Amino acid sequence: QSVLTQPPSVSAAPGQTVTISCSGSRSNIGNNFVSWYQQLPGTAPRLLIYDNDKRPSGIPDRFSGSKSGTSGTLGITGLQTGDEAEYFCATWDTTLGPNYVFGPGTKVTVL
Amino acid sequence: HVQLVQSGAEVKKPGASVKVSCQASEYTFIDYNIHWVRQAPGQGVEWMGWINPNSGDTYYPQKFRGRATMTRDSSISTVYLDLTSLRSDDSAVYYCARGGRVTDYYYKFYMDVWGKGTTVTVSS
Repeated sequence: QSVLTQPPSVSAAPGQTVTISCSGSRSNIGNNFVSWYQQLPGTAPRLLIYDNDKRPSGIPDRFSGSKSGTSGTLGITGLQTGDEAEYFCATWDTTLGPNYVFGPGTKVTVL
Repeated sequence: HVQLVQSGAEVKKPGASVKVSCQASEYTFIDYNIHWVRQAPGQGVEWMGWINPNSGDTYYPQKFRGRATMTRDSSISTVYLDLTSLRSDDSAVYYCARGGRVTDYYYKFYMDVWGKGTTVTVSS
């Protein structure tokens, strides 16, 4: 069981906007940066967002991240069929020493 | 372009050990930590620890201490993950990922480059 909570799935039509929440606690999100990873079927995860709201080069600005308190949020605007994937949040948890924890993942379906 | 190339799939019996390799290219190997992460079929993602390729220092979360060992061979820009006493629930895809400069504190680490993964199957 992850110490982070994400909705199992979200869905929307092409062109619309989805948001994915990632809820934690003071020992993880509350005191550390949040990253987001996209995993297309059958592939390795890919970094989408780091340090709460920064995008690596090559990631379109349709993807955005934010953090407030003990929760992080990933937003995807202008949804495309190629965005259909699993999305994981991740951060450091310090409950029992440094531990990089991933959320359980959210499946995004493009209707 | 920066990439991490992993070794091929493995099939092991319970109680055996497995060693997975990860070769880095197109960046200065000793400047960035390498992490190992695994994903069991239909499951989430689990972090197994990291190695500093410059010093060889490692860090493992409590779950993997004593069973996982990460080493490196800087002459060929390669990191290895050794996992012992394999059980059926160790069956997973194992990924290496570049994560954080070796000079940074851990809380600045995130994984920006990933290998394609190595499937390890543990079955009698």
